[in-house]
Amino acid sequence: GAVVSQHPSWVICKSGTSVKIECRSLDFQATTMFWYRQFPKQSLMLMATSNEGSKATYEQGVEKDKFLINHASLTLSTLTVTSAHPEDSSFYICSARGARETGELFFGEGSRLTVL
Amino acid sequence: GQNIDQPTEMTATEGAIVQINCTYQTSGFNGLFWYQQHAGEAPTFLSYNVLDGLEEKGRFSSFLSRSKGYSYLLLKELQMKDSASYLCAVMDSNYQLIWGAGTKLIIKP
Repeated sequence: GAVVSQHPSWVICKSGTSVKIECRSLDFQATTMFWYRQFPKQSLMLMATSNEGSKATYEQGVEKDKFLINHASLTLSTLTVTSAHPEDSSFYICSARGARETGELFFGEGSRLTVL
Repeated sequence: GQNIDQPTEMTATEGAIVQINCTYQTSGFNGLFWYQQHAGEAPTFLSYNVLDGLEEKGRFSSFLSRSKGYSYLLLKELQMKDSASYLCAVMDSNYQLIWGAGTKLIIKP
C-alpha cells in the first residue's frame, strides 16, 4: 500500500521556539494532505487541509499564523508550530490522499511534540 | 450539525466476537471508514463501505445501512493484539472526513 512518512517522531522543545514537522508521500503524489492533532484519549481533530500549490484551509479555532502549513510539492507538506507553548504539546498526525476514488487516507507515523 | 456516535469503551474476551457500533448524522454521505489505532500510534485503515451490506476481510467485517445511518465493525476470534481504539469516520458531501471519538476495546485473557 501507499506509504506516508512523517518526521520527526518525537520532539521536545523549549517554550517560545518553533518546530517543523515534515510529511512525505513516498510512492504516490498526494494532491491533498491533512494535518490532525490528537490529545490523550481523544479522537483526531482536523487542523487544516492543504492542497499542493495553494494556501491551506484551516478549521475553525486553529490559528493559521501559529500553525504554518506549506505544501510546496506533491510529495511534501510541512507543519510549523511557531512560538510553541506547553498547551501545544500533542500528537500531530498527517495524512495524504492521492487521486483515488475511494478517498482512502494514508497516515504518517505521527509526531509527538512536548513543549517544556 | 454533523455527528458520529460510537461507544467509548468495550471489553471482550480473547477468542470471542465483538461488535462495535457507529451511528452517524452527516451532510451527505460518500462512504464510511473504520480505522484501528493503537496507543501512541497513527491510525491504520481497516475498511471502507459505501454500499449497504456486509464487507468481510479476514477476522474483521464491516456492515453499513445508509437508510439507518448505522454501521458496525465485527471482530472475530479476538486476539490480545486487537486491543486498540477503533475509529469510525464518515466522508460527507464535501469529501471531508468526520471522525467519531473512537471506541477503546479492551481484550481480556
